[in-house]
Amino acid sequence: EPEVTQTPSHQVTQMGQEVILRCVPISNHLYFYWYRQILGQKVEFLVSFYNNEISEKSEIFDDQFSVERPDGSNFTLKIRSTKLEDSAMYFCASSEQAGSNTGELFFGEGSRLTVL
Amino acid sequence: GDSVTQMEGPVTLSEEAFLTINCTYTATGYPSLFWYVQYPGEGLQLLLKATKADDKGSNKGFEATYRKETTSFHLEKGSVQVSDSAVYFCALNTGGFKTIFGAGTRLFVKA
Repeated sequence: EPEVTQTPSHQVTQMGQEVILRCVPISNHLYFYWYRQILGQKVEFLVSFYNNEISEKSEIFDDQFSVERPDGSNFTLKIRSTKLEDSAMYFCASSEQAGSNTGELFFGEGSRLTVL
Repeated sequence: GDSVTQMEGPVTLSEEAFLTINCTYTATGYPSLFWYVQYPGEGLQLLLKATKADDKGSNKGFEATYRKETTSFHLEKGSVQVSDSAVYFCALNTGGFKTIFGAGTRLFVKA
């Protein structure tokens, strides 16, 4: 069964360092997303990506964040200069369609980022 | 803005007990509503959904009914199993790219 894969599963970094989280979405999906969950809090939307550009982003997704689809399979989230409050579980997701009738987002297992 | 509130966990039940996890929402417009489940070591996966008022979503013995009058989408199961132990997330989408999730409710089922 096709699945979304994420690497690394856990990354520890020093404050101020750049981090790249990688995702391989399901191959025939067109829409890609990043969400994050700070421990014990809500799963928060960061950004959606379609047709090689950002389609929507949240207020969390500031200039420190960027996304890229560098080739036909990978979808990356870069945090330019990490802060302590960036420590969270980051989930990548993909879907065939977008909007309220699509129903299903397919999630990866998450990448846990710890900023020291 | 749009939001989802679900009951805090953890919820601990014995096998074969009845489960209810409460979820209420605030949204402009007419959202679609979802329950996602996350088993240990795995990503979130769709459990069930409802796209309009009074719809009932169901899957694997779980049910939830879209109640517009009470803005609720409570998850129920008549008889839980140990294998149902997981984190359950209520979510909504009002038609854009963004799906809004609650904080999740952890369920422990004891044998």
